[in-house]
Amino acid sequence: EADIYQTPRYLVIGTGKKITLECSQTMGHDKMYWYQQDPGMELHLIHYSYGVNSTEKGDLSSESTVSRIRTEHFPLTLESARPSHTSQYLCASSVVAYSSYNEQFFGPGTRLTVL
Amino acid sequence: DAKTTQPTSMDCAEGRAANLPCNHSTISGNEYVYWYRQIHSQGPQYIIHGLKNNETNEMASLIITEDRKSSTLILPHATLRDTAVYYCIVRIPGELTFGQGTILTVHP
Repeated sequence: EADIYQTPRYLVIGTGKKITLECSQTMGHDKMYWYQQDPGMELHLIHYSYGVNSTEKGDLSSESTVSRIRTEHFPLTLESARPSHTSQYLCASSVVAYSSYNEQFFGPGTRLTVL
Repeated sequence: DAKTTQPTSMDCAEGRAANLPCNHSTISGNEYVYWYRQIHSQGPQYIIHGLKNNETNEMASLIITEDRKSSTLILPHATLRDTAVYYCIVRIPGELTFGQGTILTVHP
């Protein structure tokens, strides 16, 4: 059972609000990821981190930002939410960056709706 | 990245083997084949991975052709809970790129 948590699970918010999606893992994993997925569509990597103080942009351009001050915590922030940000956001972590094993453990996701 | 081609959808009867194909004709020598699945509204779940040899674990078997241009994920006794989107991913170890996947529907 993977120990990776996301809060909130569901969020409905108005345009222009600042929001932070939380992601925490208790497995001591160095690498963490954020994916964005619209209903019925592909997952797109938007951010990842190799470890503390490391953040990288993923394949899909995103207006969100991330931080990694602690190993276990990888929050995602939207400074000014817009309806185009409505989506599901999935957080994941993995043990070693370049091991062939490469198993990523995913959290339950946050479903964001911006009105 | 090597591009993968998977059927959009497949059906399988409960209790029968589900064989999910994946074509990756441009795979490089150092790229692995990974399989994940995503049950509705949940995060993806790792299933299995391989490089050249066939692999088996408690969830599934992975058969990779000798030329490595295609592979098949086998769920030996599919259950209703195996209904999900199955992703075949070909990458060097590192970030994963999820495609459209195959929607597998297991019916009674």
